[in-house]
Amino acid sequence: QSVLTQPPSASGTPGQRVTISCSGSSSNIGSNTVNWYQQLPGTAPKLLIYSNNQRPSGVPDRFSGSKSGTSASLAISGLQSEDEADYYCAAWDDSLNGHVVFGGGTKLTVL
Amino acid sequence: QLQLQESGPGLVKPSETLSLTCTVSGGSISSSSYYWGWIRQPPGKGLEWIGSIYYSGSTYYNPSLKSRVTISVDTSKNQFSLKLSSVTAADTAVYYCARLVGAVAHYWGQGTLVTVSS
Repeated sequence: QSVLTQPPSASGTPGQRVTISCSGSSSNIGSNTVNWYQQLPGTAPKLLIYSNNQRPSGVPDRFSGSKSGTSASLAISGLQSEDEADYYCAAWDDSLNGHVVFGGGTKLTVL
Repeated sequence: QLQLQESGPGLVKPSETLSLTCTVSGGSISSSSYYWGWIRQPPGKGLEWIGSIYYSGSTYYNPSLKSRVTISVDTSKNQFSLKLSSVTAADTAVYYCARLVGAVAHYWGQGTLVTVSS
């Protein structure tokens, strides 16, 4: 069972806007920034969003992140077929001397 | 461009020790501000952080794996390594190495599948 909670699946049609939630606690999301990773089938994860809402170079502005309290969200607007992937949230957790925690992942299907 | 490459046995027997090495190229493992870590993914499942190490040797480990994990760094070879002892089938996974700042992993290796089986 993952420390951060994500819905196992999400879906949308091309052009739609979809959001994926990530719920944590005061020791992780509540006191640290949230990061999001995209994993295309058969490939290594790729950093999509860091520090709650920052996009690394090369990530389209269709992807955006936000955080409020102990929850965070990833939004994808103008959904495209190539966005079909698994998405993971991650954060630093201050408990037990500090460690990284991941969400269980959300499989996004583009219908 | 920074590149990371995992290497090591693809098959480990139960109760033995899994050993992997990550070779970093295109940059120095002694760069300040960065940690170097291991993350794994069992087949069909999600990501699990194993631990991270700074070039000076300072480490952070996943509390659930801490008793079995050792991560070390060899700055002369620009490599860092993972040892996971007393493995079981539950340790079968794709193991990734990555460069991290906290929970932010900008660079990842391609991953290597390690199967625990007799």
